[in-house]
Amino acid sequence: EADIYQTPRYLVIGTGKKITLECSQTMGHDKMYWYQQDPGMELHLIHYSYGVNSTEKGDLSSESTVSRIRTEHFPLTLESARPSHTSQYLCASSAVSNTEAFFGQGTRLTVV
Amino acid sequence: AQTVTQSQPEMSVQEAETVTLSCTYDTSESDYYLFWYKQPPSRQMILVIRQEAYKQQNATENRFSVNFQKAAKSFSLKISDSQLGDAAMYFCACLSQGGSEKLVFGKGTKLTVNP
Repeated sequence: EADIYQTPRYLVIGTGKKITLECSQTMGHDKMYWYQQDPGMELHLIHYSYGVNSTEKGDLSSESTVSRIRTEHFPLTLESARPSHTSQYLCASSAVSNTEAFFGQGTRLTVV
Repeated sequence: AQTVTQSQPEMSVQEAETVTLSCTYDTSESDYYLFWYKQPPSRQMILVIRQEAYKQQNATENRFSVNFQKAAKSFSLKISDSQLGDAAMYFCACLSQGGSEKLVFGKGTKLTVNP
């Protein structure tokens, strides 16, 4: 099983709240990704990182922000949650030398 | 920009039979990798099979094999001797080397295995 962890697994939160979704990996991977998975199961890349202090926006515009201060940690923050942010968020990581991406179990976010 | 297209939202197969899932892709990079990932219900996404674009030989992993047609930008997955545990969402993905190196996924195909 991959050593990449996401917390919380489930989160129900009110509109306007600030939230941070955590993602940590113990594999020393430089590349990390955040995907938003909609109810139809399609995966949209919202953020990615090549390493410490490197972050890029993905193909799907997102109001979330990310940071990469440590190699193992890639948190995603929503400053003011809205119902439209309700979705499943998947974190993944991969090594530069190995193209396989390992995925966390996901965080299912519901904004009410 | 990379794009990955899976034209089959759902597929079904009888247990022990063979099924093929389709995928086409587009990338401007000459060096890239293609993947099939599996996401079982309520479980983690895992890698099924990987193909390096520079390799002409089709990748094979036990009951899973691909048909990689580089000129046509086609990358289909064949599952032989289907098992109940193969039921899942299957995603085709492309990772281009050079440039942005983003891992981009198709919309997925839901595979049902009938006993």
